[in-house]
Amino acid sequence: AQSVAQPEDQVNVAEGNPLTVKCTYSVSGNPYLFWYVQYPNRGLQFLLKYITGDNLVKGSYGFEAEFNKSQTSFHLKKPSALVSDSALYFCAVRDPSDYKLSFGAGTTVTVRA
Amino acid sequence: NAGVMQNPRHLVRRRGQEARLRCSPMKGHSHVYWYRQLPEEGLKFMVYLQKENIIDESGMPKERFSAEFPKEGPSILRIQQVVRGDSAAYFCASSPRGSTDGTQYFGPGTRLTVL
Repeated sequence: AQSVAQPEDQVNVAEGNPLTVKCTYSVSGNPYLFWYVQYPNRGLQFLLKYITGDNLVKGSYGFEAEFNKSQTSFHLKKPSALVSDSALYFCAVRDPSDYKLSFGAGTTVTVRA
Repeated sequence: NAGVMQNPRHLVRRRGQEARLRCSPMKGHSHVYWYRQLPEEGLKFMVYLQKENIIDESGMPKERFSAEFPKEGPSILRIQQVVRGDSAAYFCASSPRGSTDGTQYFGPGTRLTVL
């Protein structure tokens, strides 16, 4: 069985400060990992993914994530947050032998001006 | 290239009525997935379909829920005799045929409210 944990319900940062959203996962094989962002009353937008290769993955809007196999983590980061980054962020995992995405409960990010 | 389309965006039904949710995948995508997002929760997988085939419906409630993806036209998620607990956001996602990582692209969702 595969699962994802996002330990923080909310993250609050000041604009211009670094932003980190945490994610840990559990999967039987090598994981496929994804980050999505959801703005109010909108669908999920794909941000980035890790499939294989370099542990540091760069995605849309200046976001990046680091895959850490030993810690089973895939934290999302942005060096300098913007007010427009305020949204709900979901981490998801997929076992390569499956196709279902398993999502974390989500982390609400608030960036204050 | 248009993204995943879902309609209606908002749907209000009274208890006992039927709800029909539609999803048109991205152009070139032949795999469709339905997820449900209950209030204060993450998305939960419901069903995975390819054209004219249900591949996995393990996440779908055994009663009242059904899904199809016909040869022509959108995928339909049907909920019969809706109850208040069915109130949720229903998201459709699609992925391209033959994709090695199967990145799923999501539609805007249908928000179902059962009165």
